[in-house]
Amino acid sequence: GAGVSQSPSNKVTEKGKDVELRCDPISGHTALYWYRQSLGQGLEFLIYFQGNSAPDKSGLPSDRFSAERTGGSVSTLTIQRTQQEDSAVYLCASSLAGGQGIYGYTFGSGTRLTVV
Amino acid sequence: QKEVEQDPGPLSVPEGAIVSLNCTYSNSAFQYFMWYRQYSRKGPELLMYTYSSGNKEDGRFTAQVDKSSKYISLFIRDSQPSDSATYLCAMSFTGANSKLTFGKGITLSVRP
Repeated sequence: GAGVSQSPSNKVTEKGKDVELRCDPISGHTALYWYRQSLGQGLEFLIYFQGNSAPDKSGLPSDRFSAERTGGSVSTLTIQRTQQEDSAVYLCASSLAGGQGIYGYTFGSGTRLTVV
Repeated sequence: QKEVEQDPGPLSVPEGAIVSLNCTYSNSAFQYFMWYRQYSRKGPELLMYTYSSGNKEDGRFTAQVDKSSKYISLFIRDSQPSDSATYLCAMSFTGANSKLTFGKGITLSVRP
């Protein structure tokens, strides 16, 4: 596709349930990032995949959070035993190499997660 | 102290005003500086990008970086209602594996 696709766009789940969020990056982009955006908190880095390298998981807030990227393309972010504080917009982005340059990151529209 | 600080606003200006948005940062190793614009219920999109110090102009937008003061700015001239959005500064180190660190973002409203 032409852009980064995320699904679902909205997800309401009960506290304690597991959720899976999907990201389909731009074809050919080697780097994929997950960020979380909460009201008043800006974009919080979660995890970063670059090619075949081991992912940078330094931003994951707890062991309830995990992510995979299969075949260097689609990524799934999994949150186990969801808590109300997990409610946020989860944004996925992809880029060529490190994304610092003129092309930057291309973001998807996000998944709005609400834990009730 | 967070690595990147940005006044959260919100900011409301009349149409035609000059807008100044600013960020400060603490890590002098940052080399790439970017501004992203985010419309409601959309992902951020890259607006301006600068490497190291200096100015860059693109139409009504000017980005400035002052590395000696660890301060970056985005100026919007002749602001339009369509500029109403959240603006986030972002920065990173050099190196292919460096990720972006974002400010909290400031919401701008341009009144017709």
